[in-house]
Amino acid sequence: GENVEQHPSTLSVQEGDSAVIKCTYSDSASNYFPWYKQELGKRPQLIIDIRSNVGEKKDQRIAVTLNKTAKHFSLHITETQPEDSAVYFCAAQHGSGNTGKLIFGQGTTLQVKP
Amino acid sequence: DAGVTQSPTHLIKTRGQQVTLRCSPKSGHDTVSWYQQALGQGPQFIFQYYEEEERQRGNFPDRFSGHQYPNYSSELNVNALLLGDSALYLCASSGAGTSTQYFGPGTRLTVL
Repeated sequence: GENVEQHPSTLSVQEGDSAVIKCTYSDSASNYFPWYKQELGKRPQLIIDIRSNVGEKKDQRIAVTLNKTAKHFSLHITETQPEDSAVYFCAAQHGSGNTGKLIFGQGTTLQVKP
Repeated sequence: DAGVTQSPTHLIKTRGQQVTLRCSPKSGHDTVSWYQQALGQGPQFIFQYYEEEERQRGNFPDRFSGHQYPNYSSELNVNALLLGDSALYLCASSGAGTSTQYFGPGTRLTVL
């Protein structure tokens, strides 16, 4: 069935270091891969997304890479700051336009130490 | 421009009761998806509504049902509540032809 595996479950870095979170999806028909950041007690907030026809996308300190052959995608955060501390979720969607359901990974708790 | 809103914020029910949760999508969005997020887990897809019809459904029992109104707002109903239904219920809206889903703040349901 559809599944998204996310690693690591927890990640602790020093301020200024880089953080990498990796996800693997099972459904080869997945074509849209968003990343959400969820602070304690808050809603998931979209931080970056990538479509299956693109290999990499960058937005300031955040980048996402996609390897369709291996069915892997990763989130890269550079120059981490304490305010980056949160739970990060990857997701994969199968379906065109707004018809697809999101399958989420289990989440990664990122702690950035000042 | 208001984002996705949900009500109520918190809800406490007892086993066997039923509950209705409400969601108003972001302005201009016509599709509403509902997710259940257990503590420490990623959101799990319940179902999706478009044009007042349930378009897709996840692996949830028939106790979970929904509705979408002509103004695109939506309700999630859960009957015969179980302790295991305790979770954060999130709705997300998306617009025509776009994949991006924007989440509401959620309703925290506690079943005692």
